[in-house]
Amino acid sequence: DGGITQSPKYLFRKEGQNVTLSCEQNLNHDAMYWYRQDPGQGLRLIYYSQIVNDFQKGDIAEGYSVSREKKESFPLTVTSAQKNPTAFYLCASRTGAASYEQYFGPGTRLTVT
Amino acid sequence: LAKTTQPISMDSYEGQEVNITCSHNNIATNDYITWYQQFPSQGPRFIIQGYKTKVKNEVASLFIPADRKSSTLSLPRVSLSDTAVYYCLVGRQAGGSYIPTFGRGTSLIVHP
Repeated sequence: DGGITQSPKYLFRKEGQNVTLSCEQNLNHDAMYWYRQDPGQGLRLIYYSQIVNDFQKGDIAEGYSVSREKKESFPLTVTSAQKNPTAFYLCASRTGAASYEQYFGPGTRLTVT
Repeated sequence: LAKTTQPISMDSYEGQEVNITCSHNNIATNDYITWYQQFPSQGPRFIIQGYKTKVKNEVASLFIPADRKSSTLSLPRVSLSDTAVYYCLVGRQAGGSYIPTFGRGTSLIVHP
C-alpha cells in the first residue's frame, strides 16, 4: 500500500531532551510538510520541503529542525529549545504538480513532562 | 496568504444535507480552494478542491460564486460517521511552493 507512515504513534520524553519524529512516504511525492496541532486548534505549519536537500521554515519553526536527505524521508527533531513541545504532530506530502491535495500520515502524539 | 473564516460548529441529523460556508474575502487570482475532513487523533483527509463554479465528486460538492470570496462545501445525506472537523484552505503554488493555511475548522456533529 502506498502512503505516509509516522512513528511512533505515542512518544513520551522528559523536558530538556531532544526527540526525533519519523515521517516516511512511498508515494514518490516531491513536497513534504510538518504540522503541529494543539487541542481544539487547526494545524500550524512547522517546516516544509519542496525537493530533496531543501526545506523552508513555516509559521512556527522555532525550536524545531528538519532534514531532507532522501525523497521518502522528512524527519522532524523537537529540540529542548521548543517551549511547549507537547502536541499532535502531523506529516503530509504532495505530488508537487497541479493537485493541491495533501496526503497526511496518522500523526505522532508527543508528551513532554 | 488568504485568511479563511468558518463557523466554529454545526449540528445536523442523519439523512440531512449539510452546507458549510467558508469566507475568504482576500482570495488571490491564482488561489485554489480545498477542503479537508479530520477525525479525532487522525490526520486530515482531502475531500475536494476547486477554483470556480461547482465541483462534485463521490462524497461532496463544492460551490464557488463568481466573486470567489466564499465557498460552500455540501455533504449530501450525512450519517453519524460524518461527525468530524472540516477545514477550508485557500492557497496557490508560487515558485514551486504551496503553503496552505489551516484555520480552526468547523466541528460538525451529526445526531441520530
